[in-house]
Amino acid sequence: DTGVSQNPRHKITKRGQNVTFRCDPISEHNRLYWYRQTLGQGPEFLTYFQNEAQLEKSRLLSDRFSAERPKGSFSTLEIQRTEQGDSAMYLCASSLDRGGEQYFGPGTRLTVT
Amino acid sequence: GEDVEQSLFLSVREGDSSVINCTYTDSSSTYLYWYKQEPGAGLQLLTYIFSNMDMKQDQRLTVLLNKKDKHLSLRIADTQTGDSAIYFCAEGRDDKIIFGKGTRLHILP
Repeated sequence: DTGVSQNPRHKITKRGQNVTFRCDPISEHNRLYWYRQTLGQGPEFLTYFQNEAQLEKSRLLSDRFSAERPKGSFSTLEIQRTEQGDSAMYLCASSLDRGGEQYFGPGTRLTVT
Repeated sequence: GEDVEQSLFLSVREGDSSVINCTYTDSSSTYLYWYKQEPGAGLQLLTYIFSNMDMKQDQRLTVLLNKKDKHLSLRIADTQTGDSAIYFCAEGRDDKIIFGKGTRLHILP
């Protein structure tokens, strides 16, 4: 494995449904980050993990959003009761340690109809 | 991304140098980054610079940092059609990255 992988790459869902995305970081990386990118904008930070501990959550992360990294390896991001405003690209990144280089996955594009 | 500002568009002729400018706000940022995003693709880390450096060169890329003015620039020498993409300036702050809105680089033939 040479990079961060995300699944699925695309998700179309109806408003009100729940969705879950998965991120597999680079294997030796301790830190895992979730970002959201909407059209014409740069990525915005959502949350991050140091191993299995979730250390920070953005105000953008409403109570409909939950992220886990149960074993300190892969992570999931769940959105409950999706709204049209949740339509975006959800990006995952990982890094070896604090600061330095964050490597991004290809993203999961969510479309809520 | 409102704390990191960059122009939205830049057009450059093939073979010329491209210079993308950025300003940031947090003087305590340790790292400053340039990411590249091609259509339908993820973010590619192009280069980064520590805040205690003034310049970093990597092949066709030159990063200049003016910490006093909180100004960062990316120069791409001999711009090629493959350089056409959106370039994001970003600052590392409190264990996360704050991105600008991106500069779309358009290459003229």
